[in-house]
Amino acid sequence: AQSVTQLGSHVSVSEGALVLLRCNYSSSVPPYLFWYVQYPNQGLQLLLKYTSAATLVKGINGFEAEFKKSETSFHLTKPSAHMSDAAEYFCAVTRSGGNTPLVFGKGTRLSVIA
Amino acid sequence: NAGVTQTPKFQVLKTGQSMTLQCAQDMNHEYMSWYRQDPGMGLRLIHYSVGAGITDQGEVPNGYNVSRSTTEDFPLRLLSAAPSQTSVYFCASRTATLNTEAFFGQGTRLTVV
Repeated sequence: AQSVTQLGSHVSVSEGALVLLRCNYSSSVPPYLFWYVQYPNQGLQLLLKYTSAATLVKGINGFEAEFKKSETSFHLTKPSAHMSDAAEYFCAVTRSGGNTPLVFGKGTRLSVIA
Repeated sequence: NAGVTQTPKFQVLKTGQSMTLQCAQDMNHEYMSWYRQDPGMGLRLIHYSVGAGITDQGEVPNGYNVSRSTTEDFPLRLLSAAPSQTSVYFCASRTATLNTEAFFGQGTRLTVV
């Protein structure tokens, strides 16, 4: 069965610093991977998704993620954190073929310190 | 473009009461799912549907029922509410096309007292 593990339930960075949110996946077949962001009291919004066309995926708001099959990872990064990036971030996976619902990690809450 | 609409946004129930959380999407998506979000637990799948008339259980289905009579609607029923069902509930939909993302509603915050 597919699953994802997000390392670190809470990450705190200074404004302007690098953001790195970790996600490792477990899948017996090639996975489809997603990163979502949730701002307080809102639903989830797609940041980016891995399509297998390119291992480095660029998303909205300056975020990007790199798919590394050898490390079974799909870590989310942003070169310079902004105060508005403070939110909860979820990594999700679905099986190749896409006929299963998304399975989510437990989430990482990102705090940005001025 | 409404997307995924959930009603109500907030609800307080007494233990033992029943209610239905509504979810509707206007994107003609085949797949719909219900998740619950609890602190430190991420989103856990309750039930899902791959098309009208087809539903299946997710990770935490006990105490919940669903049905899918139309493509647009996917209601979640709480048969006899318990305090353990206090949570934020999200409905999501996506197409059956490969590698498509899910679109989420704004959530229903349910408190069972």
